[in-house]
Amino acid sequence: DAKTTQPNSMESNEEEPVHLPCNHSTISGTDYIHWYRQLPSQGPEYVIHGLTSNVNNRMASLAIAEDRKSSTLILHRATLRDAAVYYCILLDSGGGADGLTFGKGTHLIIQP
Amino acid sequence: DSGVTQTPKHLITATGQRVTLRCSPRSGDLSVYWYQQSLDQGLQFLIQYYNGEERAKGNILERFSAQQFPDLHSELNLSSLELGDSALYFCASSYGGFRDTQYFGPGTRLTVL
Repeated sequence: DAKTTQPNSMESNEEEPVHLPCNHSTISGTDYIHWYRQLPSQGPEYVIHGLTSNVNNRMASLAIAEDRKSSTLILHRATLRDAAVYYCILLDSGGGADGLTFGKGTHLIIQP
Repeated sequence: DSGVTQTPKHLITATGQRVTLRCSPRSGDLSVYWYQQSLDQGLQFLIQYYNGEERAKGNILERFSAQQFPDLHSELNLSSLELGDSALYFCASSYGGFRDTQYFGPGTRLTVL
């Protein structure tokens, strides 16, 4: 299975943009890039996903490198409520038998 | 609120015992997934059911079993409990398979003493 690499933690200030990187150098052509986050004491929550093109939704933007070996989750204006662990996950378009494989993720700390 | 409900919220039991965790998926979702989150192992996929049938298995122990009922709710049964089974157990649901967005419940915290 293709793996992802993320920094263990990042820190940002409230109301500033946050760029969370993810490396996936062994990504296959059919792998979708999904991002989930887990707020303290809650279950994981879907954030965004994409295949090749950059994607935007009300929560965040996803920038995917042209060679698809890396991607960046962008929170345009971080709030204290965005403090969470962010997981970058690859999912094969044909589905898989392994469920969502959560790595250690990036622990995002937001300073007021 | 994801629309996925799990009961109970907390469960405290002793080693060797058996417990049942319950999950109700979002309305319209056909797939239910079970995950275990412990401090040392992180979030691990256990098993998936789709429309009543087992679809995929992850790192689920033989002491654990699950089922999905005709009304699509699911139960995870944990037996011969050990101290190491203490963890958060999350249920998630999606309309179809893994590629679909999964919506997670609030979890059941199991403590085995």
